[in-house]
Amino acid sequence: AQSVTQLGSHVSVSEGALVLLRCNYSSSVPPYLFWYVQYPNQGLQLLLKYTTGATLVKGINGFEAEFKKSETSFHLTKPSAHMSDAAEYFCAVSGNTNAGKSTFGDGTTLTVKP
Amino acid sequence: DGGITQSPKYLFRKEGQNVTLSCEQNLNHDAMYWYRQDPGQGLRLIYYSQIVNDFQKGDIAEGYSVSREKKESFPLTVTSAQKNPTAFYLCASSMLGDEQYFGPGTRLTVT
Repeated sequence: AQSVTQLGSHVSVSEGALVLLRCNYSSSVPPYLFWYVQYPNQGLQLLLKYTTGATLVKGINGFEAEFKKSETSFHLTKPSAHMSDAAEYFCAVSGNTNAGKSTFGDGTTLTVKP
Repeated sequence: DGGITQSPKYLFRKEGQNVTLSCEQNLNHDAMYWYRQDPGQGLRLIYYSQIVNDFQKGDIAEGYSVSREKKESFPLTVTSAQKNPTAFYLCASSMLGDEQYFGPGTRLTVT
């Protein structure tokens, strides 16, 4: 069984401020973890993923996430928010033995204030 | 270019009509998925398929049907039995366990 909890359905930051979106997961097997971004009326796009190896993962658009097994967390960060970062963000987990079916969190809407 | 396509982008139907949403991928992925997204809600899995001629129900399969006759194609039919079909529908594909590649979505409006 696997599940994802995204803490905070809405996060608001000022332009230039740190972005922190929280994700906690549970998985009965070593997890693969993903962050996706969705802009209005579009499909989801992969930001970054963790499978094995280095626990700090860098993605597109300056985002990164750190896999912390002891905390079962995979929080997404960006040092300095841009207006273009305003979107909805989804964390997802899959177990490589679970036939590839990912479980998605409920999403976090990021608002960036000028 | 490799990718996943959905058509049409917008679809309007009268209540009581069945409607089929198209999803095609040329990424050679084994697995394909259909999700439903409603305003303010996350993704809800309707059906998924890991291999040709096989598919499984997701969390909200009632009122929907699918087929997987070809690796590249995974059409979704929204039947008249679906009580509230107006939504944004997303198709995705992946290699098993790996990231999912999403199409641009189809917004279905039923009146």
